[in-house]
Amino acid sequence: GEDVEQSLFLSVREGDSSVINCTYTDSSSTYLYWYKQEPGAGLQLLTYIFSNMDMKQDQRLTVLLNKKDKHLSLRIADTQTGDSAIYFCAEIDGGYNKLIFGAGTRLAVHP
Amino acid sequence: DGGITQSPKYLFRKEGQNVTLSCEQNLNHDAMYWYRQDPGQGLRLIYYSQIVNDFQKGDIAEGYSVSREKKESFPLTVTSAQKNPTAFYLCASSIDFSADRLDQPQHFGDGTRLSIL
Repeated sequence: GEDVEQSLFLSVREGDSSVINCTYTDSSSTYLYWYKQEPGAGLQLLTYIFSNMDMKQDQRLTVLLNKKDKHLSLRIADTQTGDSAIYFCAEIDGGYNKLIFGAGTRLAVHP
Repeated sequence: DGGITQSPKYLFRKEGQNVTLSCEQNLNHDAMYWYRQDPGQGLRLIYYSQIVNDFQKGDIAEGYSVSREKKESFPLTVTSAQKNPTAFYLCASSIDFSADRLDQPQHFGDGTRLSIL
């Protein structure tokens, strides 16, 4: 079945770049998503990328997609303390009827 | 402002008790979803509904029930058959299930944290 894997924890210094990685298994996924979850809150859609793209940039966020390796990454430039949260990678399953989420990467930003 | 409202924010369940979590949306979305989130795990799908008066089981439906009598509402009941209900429950909605709308995916509520007394 489909599976999405992420490392569980990342710590960066304020002002540095953060790179959160994700691997997925469903090669038919047409869209891949990044969500952000702040403590005690729901998930907020950050960005998404269509499978015919290699890269998408949106202000401080850059998404890279390597379809051959089924690898997705989210780069946050100039990371701030407000970026501290859990970041989830998600793919659409082949039947388009649900999102498959990774376990989430907890990003900690320290001074 | 349009959005998804979940209530209550915190809920406590006694042994043998059923409890119902509310989810209301005013986004005019056809599809609604319930997820369970446990620490260190991703979101797991409990139930989803593509349209009023219809719903399907997700990956972990045992011990849960839902109804979809109105487009705006998708309540989740955690029954006494669910032996490990302590978790964070998230409701979401999306415009529809069509492959043409995948650039407008799910919007989430702020969650309900359920604990056992």
